[in-house]
Amino acid sequence: GAVVSQHPSRVICKSGTSVKIECRSLDFQATTMFWYRQFPKQSLMLMATSNEGSKATYEQGVEKDKFLINHASLTLSTLTVTSAHPEDSSFYICSANSVGSDTQYFGPGTRLTVL
Amino acid sequence: AQRVTQPEKLLSVFKGAPVELKCNYSYSGSPELFWYVQYSRQRLQLLLRHISRESIKGFTADLNKGETSFHLKKPFAQEEDSAMYYCALRGTGTASKLTFGTGTRLQVTL
Repeated sequence: GAVVSQHPSRVICKSGTSVKIECRSLDFQATTMFWYRQFPKQSLMLMATSNEGSKATYEQGVEKDKFLINHASLTLSTLTVTSAHPEDSSFYICSANSVGSDTQYFGPGTRLTVL
Repeated sequence: AQRVTQPEKLLSVFKGAPVELKCNYSYSGSPELFWYVQYSRQRLQLLLRHISRESIKGFTADLNKGETSFHLKKPFAQEEDSAMYYCALRGTGTASKLTFGTGTRLQVTL
């Protein structure tokens, strides 16, 4: 149980385009989802915390207008990278807490490459 | 501010040798500490948390508040332990937010 999926697993896009990444909890309802970013050989950096039905809470230094997060249901959160630039190329990972639990379950990640 | 430090990027040990992956933290309150593991081509998964005081796959970790450390130990390394290990901290009242260390790659060789 407690599986989190991400789609797509990897995406390549042109500079200036927008990319949407989906994070789904497959067998549980997620009250809270988290979005992380990981650069090569570096740690996971929390970008934002999203709660179903409310606005996401962004970490300091993360542009909310560039990284749009929507958590429309208890099983789906989306991260949209708007007007992507090569410096946005990274590995994006989501995680989710199930209702009544504080354990985070991680998705497999999405590798974004912006040309 | 909360911070997690893993001083070693790579730890290489022989099979059967003891393992200690170091983790130090900085936090003004009472944190909750975790170890996460990422095997090759797999997602990050929880290995253990300090409040459980359990041994998972032979690994243990004790929270030492005096030394602000949460080192991960295993008496006899196995090949299948080769993976990336991340230490993480959650502070009180931070809505489950985790702060990760930079990770240590454990390489167990024959």
